[in-house]
Amino acid sequence: DIQMTQSPSTLSASVGDRVTITCRASQSISSWLAWYQQKPGKAPKLLLHKASTLESGVPSRFSGSGSGTEFTLTISSLQPDDFATYYCQSYTSYNTFGQGTKLEIK
Amino acid sequence: EVQLVESGGGLVKPGGSLRLSCAASGFTFNSAWMHWVRQAPGKGLEWVGRITTKIDGETTEYAAPVKGRFTISRDDSKNTLYLQMSSLKTEDTAVYYCTTDGGGRSGEFAYWGQGILVTVSS
Repeated sequence: DIQMTQSPSTLSASVGDRVTITCRASQSISSWLAWYQQKPGKAPKLLLHKASTLESGVPSRFSGSGSGTEFTLTISSLQPDDFATYYCQSYTSYNTFGQGTKLEIK
Repeated sequence: EVQLVESGGGLVKPGGSLRLSCAASGFTFNSAWMHWVRQAPGKGLEWVGRITTKIDGETTEYAAPVKGRFTISRDDSKNTLYLQMSSLKTEDTAVYYCTTDGGGRSGEFAYWGQGILVTVSS
């Protein structure tokens, strides 16, 4: 099975900061990588798929890059609504989530 | 508008059984692979399993922790997905979500239900 490892587990940042979250796959998943945002008590929300394709309606301050085994999610200028937990997911033959990154207000 | 609505959750004793349902609308249900994902209290997301479409053989796959205990099925005439859970363990306590790409996409989980809580406790 494919393992997905996110880092960091927790990230403290301020409104306006640029932040990057990394996700590594234990073997190549090409670009079959999605990013989700989850707020407490809510279902996850799809932000990006195919590593870098922004889901409709998602603000352009979110961007993704990478292929193979290493991927990043970048938020260019943090907004108050962005403080949440973020998960990466491989969706090849295996559907595996990373352990999550909690983005906290500094 | 795509809607996924889970039901059937609740409190069950270890070793017991429970069946969750997920009523779908707003997309062509019989063309979509459907998945279950769960989240234990305070923990991350865990994929539980999936079922393909009738055209793809209605094949199922399960994560290792639930294989042999959980069964996913679908009723395309009712636009409903099911998760039959048996031999439940305390570690199966979680919010269970049904999710899908809605068909015609590449498998990313674009649509999610609101989630339903299953508590396994004596």
